Order: sequence, then C-alpha cells, then structure tokens
Amino acid sequence: AQSVTQLDSQVPVFEEAPVELRCNYSSSVSVYLFWYVQYPNQGLQLLLKYLSGSTLVKGINGFEAEFNKSQTSFHLRKPSVHISDTAEYFCAVSLYNFNKFYFGSGTKLNVKP
Amino acid sequence: AAGVIQSPRHLIKEKRETATLKCYPIPRHDTVYWYQQGPGQDPQFLISFYEKMQSDKGSIPDRFSAQQFSDYHSELNMSSLELGDSALYFCASSSRQGRLTGELFFGEGSRLTVL
Repeated sequence: AQSVTQLDSQVPVFEEAPVELRCNYSSSVSVYLFWYVQYPNQGLQLLLKYLSGSTLVKGINGFEAEFNKSQTSFHLRKPSVHISDTAEYFCAVSLYNFNKFYFGSGTKLNVKP
Repeated sequence: AAGVIQSPRHLIKEKRETATLKCYPIPRHDTVYWYQQGPGQDPQFLISFYEKMQSDKGSIPDRFSAQQFSDYHSELNMSSLELGDSALYFCASSSRQGRLTGELFFGEGSRLTVL
C-alpha cells in the first residue's frame, strides 16, 4: 500500500523568506512523486514531478523539490516566497501506470507581508 | 488553452436525493479521473476511465456509479445521498502521452452540499 505524509498542516512564513514543505512517502514498490498547488476554490495545479533521472526537480513559479530515496522524502522548496504563493500544497505519489494518485493531507502555506 | 470543465460548479441536494456531476476533459484527452475532497481533507481517488472503459477503482461507494461516454466526457452519478457525501468533487483528464508521464489536468471541481 502507498501512503503520503505531510507533517506540517500549516506553514507561516514572511515574504521573501525561504520555505520548505515536507513530504514523506511509504510504498513497497517504486512510485512517482508529485507536488500540486491548490488556490482557494480552484482545482489542483501541477507544480512539479519526479519520474526518474536527476533527483533535483525544478517546477513552475520558482519551486523545486529533491527526491531522497533513502529517506523516502520529496520536500518542496522555494528560496524566496511571494504573497501570491499563499495556497495549499499537496504531495502525491502514483504507481507506474498513473491510474490513481495518493495524496497527502496538504500543507497550507501562508505568506505574510 | 481549453481546460477541464466540470458542471455544475455548485450543487445543493437533500439527503436521499440523487445527483449527477459532469466532466468534460481537455480535447483529445482520453482518460478521466474522479476524486473526492471532503472538508479539510486530501483528495481521495474514486474511479478512472480510459477509452470509455473503467481502468481503476478506489474508495467509491456502491451508491455511486460513473461512466465515460463516446465523446470522452464522464458523469458521476450519486444516489441515496448522505450528509458525508458533501465534498468537492474533482475531475482530471490526461492524454495518451500524459498517461505515460502522470500529466493530469484537474478541473475546478463541483462542490456538492447535502442538507
């Protein structure tokens, strides 16, 4: 079975500060890893994904994430956040066939001026 | 660019009523996924369709059914509604290439409120 853990339900941060949103996963087989962002009353938007290759993945809006197989983690980072980054962020895993995704419980990022 | 269209965006029903949600995938996308996101919860996979056939099933109640039509749009039918069915229902679509790389595009969701 697969599961995704996002330990931080809320992360407050000041504008222009760096941020890291943590994601750990559990799976008995190889999985692919994703980060999605959800703005209020909107659908999920793909930020970035790791399928294979370089463990450092760059996504949209200046976000990046690093896949760490030994620690089964896929933490999301941004060196300098903006007010517009305020949203909920979901980490997700999928098996090889992408038939379904397993989401974490989400982390609300609140960027303060 | 065209996105995934879901209708209705908001729906209010009473207990034991039925509801139908519709999803229109991005043109040339042949795969549709349905997710349910309860208040303050993460999205839970319900069911997916590929080329009009069910491809996978998740935690979808027996009271729910879904299908994908010849034009690739999908409908989620929910009967004997319960208060716990109140949620945001997301539809996502992907193309053949997207299925190989996990490229899903989500709609804005249909918010169902059961009173």
